[in-house]
Amino acid sequence: GAVVSQHPSRVICKSGTSVKIECRSLDFQATTMFWYRQFPKQSLMLMATSNEGSKATYEQGVEKDKFLINHASLTLSTLTVTSAHPEDSSFYICSAGTSGGLSDTQYFGPGTRLTVL
Amino acid sequence: GENVEQHPSTLSVQEGDSAVIKCTYSDSASNYFPWYKQELGKRPQLIIDIRSNVGEKKDQRIAVTLNKTAKHFSLHITETQPEDSAVYFCAASKGGSYIPTFGRGTSLIVHP
Repeated sequence: GAVVSQHPSRVICKSGTSVKIECRSLDFQATTMFWYRQFPKQSLMLMATSNEGSKATYEQGVEKDKFLINHASLTLSTLTVTSAHPEDSSFYICSAGTSGGLSDTQYFGPGTRLTVL
Repeated sequence: GENVEQHPSTLSVQEGDSAVIKCTYSDSASNYFPWYKQELGKRPQLIIDIRSNVGEKKDQRIAVTLNKTAKHFSLHITETQPEDSAVYFCAASKGGSYIPTFGRGTSLIVHP
């Protein structure tokens, strides 16, 4: 089946530093990757959609200069939280999907727990 | 855009009972409805999905029903077990443009 990996699984950093999170589709080519943020006991909040080779589409209210997304290849997307602050602490999850038709399923990565001190 | 409502937010049942989680959607063009199970601190896992050309789908103890006219779909879990305890999310999306809209989630607790 489709496997999505995410690295790191957990990161603790000081306020003001930048953190990069990688999302990889291991056994399929992901034309689109999604980045979500999840607060405790809450639903998945879509942050942005990234297509390989083009700029990411950010959801309303998400700062594109704060959350930099790069989708350099069909198997890798990165999310960089720049100048992280304690309020950025959250569970970040990526997902990957293939192009339309019957392949509508999203496959989620294991998530990254970010704690900003 | 699409709006997905999910109820209840919390569901507590005894082991062996059935559990039903209901979702409604607003966009009649949505045609793909997946259900995800998320255990604490882990990734959401697809457990079952249904497309708009089907009214019901079953996989062992899990079933999903879809009523296109009423724009609602439900997840049914029979003979619940403690390991079914998790947060369940429904979602709705359109074919081709498959960014799903997620419900708020239902925390299912199965008491042994």
